[in-house]
Amino acid sequence: GENVEQHPSTLSVQEGDSAVIKCTYSDSASNYFPWYKQELGKGPQLIIDIRSNVGEKKDQRIAVTLNKTAKHFSLHITETQPEDSAVYFCSSALIFGKGTTLSVSS
Amino acid sequence: NAGVTQTPKFRVLKTGQSMTLLCAQDMNHEYMYWYRQDPGMGLRLIHYSVGEGTTAKGEVPDGYNVSRLKKQNFLLGLESAAPSQTSVYFCASSQIAGGGTDTQYFGPGTRLTVL
Repeated sequence: GENVEQHPSTLSVQEGDSAVIKCTYSDSASNYFPWYKQELGKGPQLIIDIRSNVGEKKDQRIAVTLNKTAKHFSLHITETQPEDSAVYFCSSALIFGKGTTLSVSS
Repeated sequence: NAGVTQTPKFRVLKTGQSMTLLCAQDMNHEYMYWYRQDPGMGLRLIHYSVGEGTTAKGEVPDGYNVSRLKKQNFLLGLESAAPSQTSVYFCASSQIAGGGTDTQYFGPGTRLTVL
């Protein structure tokens, strides 16, 4: 079946550093790639997404890049803050990665 | 505008008991989904619906049934609960084009424990 691999599973950074989370997918027909943030005890919430006709998208400190040829996309968070600490999920065609727990220490 | 709501928030069942989880959305979305979340496993799709009166199987449908009698509601049923169904269940909805081509809005989750 279709698969989404997400790395790393945990990521610890100092406040102000950058964080990068990577995902690879297997469904060649997939054309929508969202990233969700899940805070403790809550449901996932969309933070940024990208469609296959775009290579990069930015929203303030968050950016997503997509390489359709290689079938991978990445989440970039710059100038990390303690409130960025959460679990992040990538998704492709209703398949979710296993998540990355990001911890930002001040 | 409440978004996606789920009832109940917590539930403890004994093996063999049945129960229904209710999901409601007030965004007039066509598509609705049920996921389960287990530690280290991410979110796995159980069943989904592309419109009122329609349902389809997802990645892990065994042991679950669903119904979508009204556009705003999506019910998930466990006929005979098993300990392997202990999980956190999330409902989600999206406006257009299923198959993961649109933003999903998630509910707050239901934590289910089966003893």
